[in-house]
Amino acid sequence: SQKIEQNSEALNIQEGKTATLTCNYTNYSPAYLQWYRQDPGRGPVFLLLIRENEKEKRKERLKVTFDTTLKQSLFHITASQPADSATYLCALGEIKAAGNKLTFGGGTRVLVKP
Amino acid sequence: NAGVTQTPKFRILKIGQSMTLQCAQDMNHNYMYWYRQDPGMGLKLIYYSVGAGITDKGEVPNGYNVSRSTTEDFPLRLELAAPSQTSVYFCASSYSTGSYKQYFGPGTRLTVT
Repeated sequence: SQKIEQNSEALNIQEGKTATLTCNYTNYSPAYLQWYRQDPGRGPVFLLLIRENEKEKRKERLKVTFDTTLKQSLFHITASQPADSATYLCALGEIKAAGNKLTFGGGTRVLVKP
Repeated sequence: NAGVTQTPKFRILKIGQSMTLQCAQDMNHNYMYWYRQDPGMGLKLIYYSVGAGITDKGEVPNGYNVSRSTTEDFPLRLELAAPSQTSVYFCASSYSTGSYKQYFGPGTRLTVT
């Protein structure tokens, strides 16, 4: 069966350190993978897209890697700040004739302590 | 631009009642989506639409209906509400190409008792 797994345990990290989140999937062939940030009581906000033929993407303090052989994406927040505290969702994108569809993982909560 | 708007923000329904969750976007996106999010979980796709007049089922469509008569609006109808439909509902929209970035509304928190 298809599965997307993110660490359900919260990640507690000291300010200034790098937070690394994992997203593993089985029985998918995604055309792309996205990462979203979700704050309590709000809708997800898009952060980064990485396509199946790309290995790494960066945006400011964020870095995403995508290994289609391992079926895994890693999401890094460098020099983390308390304002980075949120839940981070990975989502696999499939391009189909009927339209593009995203399937979300369960998310990982990150808590950055000052 | 207002982006994606959803109404109402909160609603309590009794078992068996019906309601429509409204969603509108002003970004001229052709793709629109409805998700539900249960506590501590990720989002599950209910229905989606690739343009006016075209809709398709997602992962969890049972108990819901949608229509898309205009590019801007994508209402979600709940018929015969059940406690299992207690959840937070998010509407989203996107372009069909490019970054496939989805823009989400603020959500509707629905409780069925």
